[in-house]
Amino acid sequence: AQSVTQPDIHITVSEGASLELRCNYSYGATPYLFWYVQSPGQGLQLLLKYFSGDTLVQGIKGFEAEFKRSQSSFNLRKPSVHWSDAAEYFCAVVGMNTGFQKLVFGTGTRLLVSP
Amino acid sequence: DVKVTQSSRYLVKRTGEKVFLECVQDMDHENMFWYRQDPGLGLRLIYFSYDVKMKEKGDIPEGYSVSREKKERFSLILESASTNQTSMYLCATSNEDSYNEQFFGPGTRLTVL
Repeated sequence: AQSVTQPDIHITVSEGASLELRCNYSYGATPYLFWYVQSPGQGLQLLLKYFSGDTLVQGIKGFEAEFKRSQSSFNLRKPSVHWSDAAEYFCAVVGMNTGFQKLVFGTGTRLLVSP
Repeated sequence: DVKVTQSSRYLVKRTGEKVFLECVQDMDHENMFWYRQDPGLGLRLIYFSYDVKMKEKGDIPEGYSVSREKKERFSLILESASTNQTSMYLCATSNEDSYNEQFFGPGTRLTVL
């Protein structure tokens, strides 16, 4: 079965510092991968996605992610964190369920930004 | 932009009550989903629908049912609410051609007393 692991429950980063959030997936074929962000009290917003092609993908709000097949990883990065980036981040992979593709989410990483 | 709206942001109900959570989308998307979100567990799929009057069970359908009478509206029903159904409920939609890129509503925080 498909699965996503986000090993860090919480991460604290100083404002202006760089950020990397880890995501590892388990899927037998080429995955479709997503990163979503959830600000406090809000629904999820898509940051970026990977379907094929260039393994480094750019997203909104200055985020990027790199697909590494050999490591089964899709880590999210940002060179300089802003206080408004404090939120919960979810990695997701498309799995298969009786022919209908459904998203499988990780458990999330909560980002705290210190002054 | 896709707009997904949910009928309530906050809801408080009593054990045993029948609860309806409504989700409406304005982008003519075929697929609609209901998730619940709990701390440490991420998002778990309750039910989804890929067409009007069609529904499929997700990973945790027990205690829930759904209804999709019109393409733009997908309802989640708790027939007899229980305290363990206290949670954040998120609705999402996707287009057939979008490789399952999903668009989410703001969520309904349900408390069952």
